[in-house]
Amino acid sequence: GAVVSQHPSWVICKSGTSVKIECRSLDFQATTMFWYRQFPKQSLMLMATSNEGSKATYEQGVEKDKFLINHASLTLSTLTVTSAHPEDSSFYICSARTLAGGNYEQYFGPGTRLTVT
Amino acid sequence: GQNIDQPTEMTATEGAIVQINCTYQTSGFNGLFWYQQHAGEAPTFLSYNVLDGLEEKGRFSSFLSRSKGYSYLLLKELQMKDSASYLCAVTDSNYQLIWGAGTKLIIKP
Repeated sequence: GAVVSQHPSWVICKSGTSVKIECRSLDFQATTMFWYRQFPKQSLMLMATSNEGSKATYEQGVEKDKFLINHASLTLSTLTVTSAHPEDSSFYICSARTLAGGNYEQYFGPGTRLTVT
Repeated sequence: GQNIDQPTEMTATEGAIVQINCTYQTSGFNGLFWYQQHAGEAPTFLSYNVLDGLEEKGRFSSFLSRSKGYSYLLLKELQMKDSASYLCAVTDSNYQLIWGAGTKLIIKP
């Protein structure tokens, strides 16, 4: 159980275009979803936290107008990278959290590798 | 501020035992996680400790001392596939995960 999927797994886009990444919890309802970014040889960097039906909370330094997050249901969150630039090339990982069991474990999606040319 | 420290890199031999330490200073504590991450892949859950003591799960064990703000991950009978980064993460008083930078473990034959 507790499977999280991401789509697409990799994407190449041209500078200036927008890219949407989907994150789905397949067999549980996620009260909260998280979006992370990871550059090569670095640890995970939390970008934003989103609760279903409410606005996402962005970490300091993350532009909310550039990284649009929508969390319309308990099983789906989307991250849209608007007007992407080469410096946005990174590994984007979502995770979903359920309060079941009380351990607040986060289940991770497989990640999306974005390359902006 | 909130801080989690773990070694940047460790090297061990196949078949041996390795201990990866993690110390933390956070605003509140609601549990500590260890995740494994292979290069180019998302993290996968290894263990969760919220009470003091040792949790054993197969070849992997995790220990927690809340009074010392300290945890370790113990890997026994190391295999080449254990080469990965190991991430320590603490849930703070707001139930947010605070991540360490990760320890890259290199296994040599």
